[in-house]
Amino acid sequence: GAVVSQHPSRVICKSGTSVKIECRSLDFQATTMFWYRQFPKQSLMLMATSNEGSKATYEQGVEKDKFLINHASLTLSTLTVTSAHPEDSSFYICSALAGALYNEQFFGPGTRLTVL
Amino acid sequence: AQSVTQLGSHVSVSEGALVLLRCNYSSSVPPYLFWYVQYPNQGLQLLLKYTSAATLVKGINGFEAEFKKSETSFHLTKPSAHMSDAAEYFCAVSENQAGTALIFGKGTTLSVSS
Repeated sequence: GAVVSQHPSRVICKSGTSVKIECRSLDFQATTMFWYRQFPKQSLMLMATSNEGSKATYEQGVEKDKFLINHASLTLSTLTVTSAHPEDSSFYICSALAGALYNEQFFGPGTRLTVL
Repeated sequence: AQSVTQLGSHVSVSEGALVLLRCNYSSSVPPYLFWYVQYPNQGLQLLLKYTSAATLVKGINGFEAEFKKSETSFHLTKPSAHMSDAAEYFCAVSENQAGTALIFGKGTTLSVSS
């Protein structure tokens, strides 16, 4: 199957700082990527859909100015958590749609964000 | 609107026993259904998916699931549990085969004891 990577795998930051998380499709081009958030012992909640070359589509209740998404190339999408606060601490997972190859989305390994 | 309900947040079985993880869905359109597995601090891995081709779907690692429209269910089974099956399992529904904009259930933690 196709491989999706995320970097970093873990990040700890101070409250008020911004953190950037990268999501890369390693062996395929992904015109569409998704960002999910997962709280401990809970399900994944879709935050936004990222399309290459256009603005991301955010789910209801997700602050687009808080969670900046950029999909500048067919293999890279970034999520920037701006002015992070402890309540932003969570597990962030991206996925990439390999439509041409497999007609399914592949998930990255996730990024654990801890805001102190 | 679509939704998924996973009955039982935690299932415990003995090694070698049958695994049954329950999933019921709600959808106003013909659904595409998925089962994913998540190991600690890792992303999700697709176990299997129902795309209307066959009601009994076989996946990886010996898992299978049966789509029952009359019961709006898509339960996941494995005849004989292995210690390595211990993980979090998520059922999800989508309006398309590619699984874009997946709606996930709350997950079921599977524990396997020796």
